[in-house]
Amino acid sequence: KQEVTQIPAALSVPEGENLVLNCSFTDSAIYNLQWFRQDPGKGLTSLLLIQSSQREQTSGRLNASLDKSSGRSTLYIAASQPGDSATYLCAVRSAGGTSYGKLTFGQGTILTVHP
Amino acid sequence: DTEVTQTPKHLVMGMTNKKSLKCEQHMGHRAMYWYKQKAKKPPELMFVYSYEKLSINESVPSRFSPECPNSSLLNLHLHALQPEDSALYLCASSQRFTGTSSHEQYFGPGTRLTVT
Repeated sequence: KQEVTQIPAALSVPEGENLVLNCSFTDSAIYNLQWFRQDPGKGLTSLLLIQSSQREQTSGRLNASLDKSSGRSTLYIAASQPGDSATYLCAVRSAGGTSYGKLTFGQGTILTVHP
Repeated sequence: DTEVTQTPKHLVMGMTNKKSLKCEQHMGHRAMYWYKQKAKKPPELMFVYSYEKLSINESVPSRFSPECPNSSLLNLHLHALQPEDSALYLCASSQRFTGTSSHEQYFGPGTRLTVT
């Protein structure tokens, strides 16, 4: 069964810092990995999707990398802003096993960027 | 348009009530999902519909009854719920459920359900 872990559980940084969120998964048989953002009480916003054959994806100040063989992904946020404060969720879509086709989520990283 | 809409935004119901949650997408997606999310936890998959047929039921109690009337609509019928069923219910869609295509999932804003 696929398991996803995110580190750290919470992160508080001053505005302007560059930061890295980490995600690891136990089964490398995946179709893709998605990073989501969730504001309190709201739905999930998809930030980046990395296919299993890709190494990284970029969108604005966000860059996500994927090392499928080692079961790791990182989300890099450049020049953080208070508006980036949210919970960031990593999810992998499994390509086999009992989790086939399903998204498995990590527990999330709660990010606070203070002015 | 990458929007998934959900109604209502908030719902308060008693344990003897019957209510329904609705979800709609117009992206031509043929896979739709219901997730349940408790506070400070990640979403948990409840049901998957693929081409309007129920593909996955994650051992969800029968007091939750999903329905997919057509390729754009997904309903979740609620009956005789318990207070512990209070949660944020999220709907999502993707192009397909299986296969090797992109399958990026798009989520709606959710329905905040409170069972009294």
